Amino acid sequence: DVKVTQSSRYLVKRTGEKVFLECVQDMDHENMFWYRQDPGLGLRLIYFSYDVKMKEKGDIPEGYSVSREKKERFSLILESASTNQTSMYLCASSSPMTGYGYTFGSGTRLTVV
Amino acid sequence: QKEVEQDPGPLSVPEGAIVSLNCTYSNSAFQYFMWYRQYSRKGPELLMYTYSSGNKEDGRFTAQVDKSSKYISLFIRDSQPSDSATYLCAMRETGGFKTIFGAGTRLFVKA
Repeated sequence: DVKVTQSSRYLVKRTGEKVFLECVQDMDHENMFWYRQDPGLGLRLIYFSYDVKMKEKGDIPEGYSVSREKKERFSLILESASTNQTSMYLCASSSPMTGYGYTFGSGTRLTVV
Repeated sequence: QKEVEQDPGPLSVPEGAIVSLNCTYSNSAFQYFMWYRQYSRKGPELLMYTYSSGNKEDGRFTAQVDKSSKYISLFIRDSQPSDSATYLCAMRETGGFKTIFGAGTRLFVKA
């Protein structure tokens, strides 16, 4: 069964901490994405990557950075966590072979206190 | 105006009902249309995708795209309590990387 695995389901961090969210996919997909999901706001794209070491800003990149050193792994970094970054974070991957439909991970619920 | 509009619901129906979920959009360049289902505390899963206009059927699910009206629908026949979830529409331009999601409609199917 194909998978996108996010390293943590629940995470609690303190304001100002540097936070790493890891995502690994085993489908050899070219494209990977990070979204955050908030009630009433839906899914908002933070960053995406269409190849190793390539990254593109999404709609809300401020306060975040990403790293893609290997094809299967895409990391989201919160440089200095703030309470307004409390959210559900979803990683996804896609490929031309699937019509670019996304396979999502189970999500990481991050709380910043 | 949002690129994709979707009524958040909640929508509550009895078991066995036909459910109609809808989205409207403003970008005429969208060519790929998708529906995702998201159970509570899980990531969304791709249900169906359609290219351009027309209908697509998969079991109890039918996706419809009307590009002239910029309107897409998902129909669920013989709805079951296990269909209770949030349904998100999504769409993308040909050759584009970004997929735009609707806010999701919360569906409850009562036994």
